[in-house]
Amino acid sequence: GESVGLHLPTLSVQEGDNSIINCAYSNSASDYFIWYKQESGKGPQFIIDIRSNMDKRQGQRVTVLLNKTVKHLSLQIAATQPGDSAVYFCAEPRMGNTGKLIFGQGTTLQVKP
Amino acid sequence: EAGVTQFPSHSVIEKGQTVTLRCDPISGHDNLYWYRRVMGKEIKFLLHFVKESKQDESGMPNNRFLAERTGGTYSTLKVQPAELEDSGVYFCASSPATGSYEQYFGPGTRLTVT
Repeated sequence: GESVGLHLPTLSVQEGDNSIINCAYSNSASDYFIWYKQESGKGPQFIIDIRSNMDKRQGQRVTVLLNKTVKHLSLQIAATQPGDSAVYFCAEPRMGNTGKLIFGQGTTLQVKP
Repeated sequence: EAGVTQFPSHSVIEKGQTVTLRCDPISGHDNLYWYRRVMGKEIKFLLHFVKESKQDESGMPNNRFLAERTGGTYSTLKVQPAELEDSGVYFCASSPATGSYEQYFGPGTRLTVT
């Protein structure tokens, strides 16, 4: 079946370094993706999204790259800070009149001081 | 503006008992979603309400789970009887428009079944 998945369950980086979190998807018709950040004790929070007519989208310290050829997207966090420690999920909304989200398994980002 | 709230934040029950989780969406949001994350796995969709009507309940695991949204405001999710595999974090989200990808999540209820 269709799926959205992440490559690594845990990523540990040094404070100040850049982080790259990856996600693969299986449905070639997918046209919209969202990255969520979930901090301990909180619900998922929207970070950034990207549509399939784009290869790259930048936000504040975050960049999402989309490679439709290999069905892969990544979230890059520049100058990673301790406050970036969280679980990151890629998600894909299902089309139709429901709007439900299909999430990947999540990558736990640990920032070492 | 208050966000999505959930109660309780944590519940520990024994296998066979009943638990009811509550979600209060953002005021004015007609769409309400329930999701669940089992330890270390992905967040999975359970069901979707539009006002008081169930739009999509394809993700509900079995008939031990019952969701309601009487009056189209807050929603409850009852698990009866609870099993060990029901343990996880249950998230509620709301959005202002059907089909909108803009979903606001609550902090979740961590359910532990022993």
